[in-house]
Amino acid sequence: GESVGLHLPTLSVQEGDNSIINCAYSNSASDYFIWYKQESGKGPQFIIDIRSNMDKRQGQRVTVLLNKTVKHLSLQIAATQPGDSAVYFCAEKRDNYGQNFVFGPGTRLSVLP
Amino acid sequence: NAGVTQTPKFRILKIGQSMTLQCTQDMNHNYMYWYRQDPGMGLKLIYYSVGAGITDKGEVPNGYNVSRSTTEDFPLRLELAAPSQTSVYFCASTPPGQGLRNTIYFGEGSWLTVV
Repeated sequence: GESVGLHLPTLSVQEGDNSIINCAYSNSASDYFIWYKQESGKGPQFIIDIRSNMDKRQGQRVTVLLNKTVKHLSLQIAATQPGDSAVYFCAEKRDNYGQNFVFGPGTRLSVLP
Repeated sequence: NAGVTQTPKFRILKIGQSMTLQCTQDMNHNYMYWYRQDPGMGLKLIYYSVGAGITDKGEVPNGYNVSRSTTEDFPLRLELAAPSQTSVYFCASTPPGQGLRNTIYFGEGSWLTVV
């Protein structure tokens, strides 16, 4: 079936290093993708988004890359900081759900001192 | 501007009890959603609403009911609580008129345990 999933359920990185979190999706009709950060005990918070007509989008310390050929999405965090420790979700928007999104299971990022 | 507010934060229910999770948003968003998040899993859509008076089922609606009498409020009702409904529940909303780029705004979550 169609799904959004993550390659790595957990990721540990040294403080200051760059982090890369990956996400695979299977619905080629998805036209919009979002990365969310969820800290312990809190709701997901928007990080960055990208439309399907783009390959790359940059924010502050974060970059999202979209490879539609292999249906792959990645989130790159530069100079990872302790405050980046959280679970990261990708979500895809599918037109047949109207305004609804489908979320992946998440990757836990742990930043080591 | 409080955003999306949901209550209660924590609740323990006995099997067979009923309860309502309250959700309100003050951003005049037309779309509202209820998701559940099981441990180690992604968010699953329970119900959603495109506006006052309109509700639709999501991926996992069984055991739940919703209503949308106003733009601001979207309560989620559990009629006969079951252990399988132990989860974290998130209410969310999206604003109107932004086309494809409708970012979801989430509440802080409601931790529900059914024993």
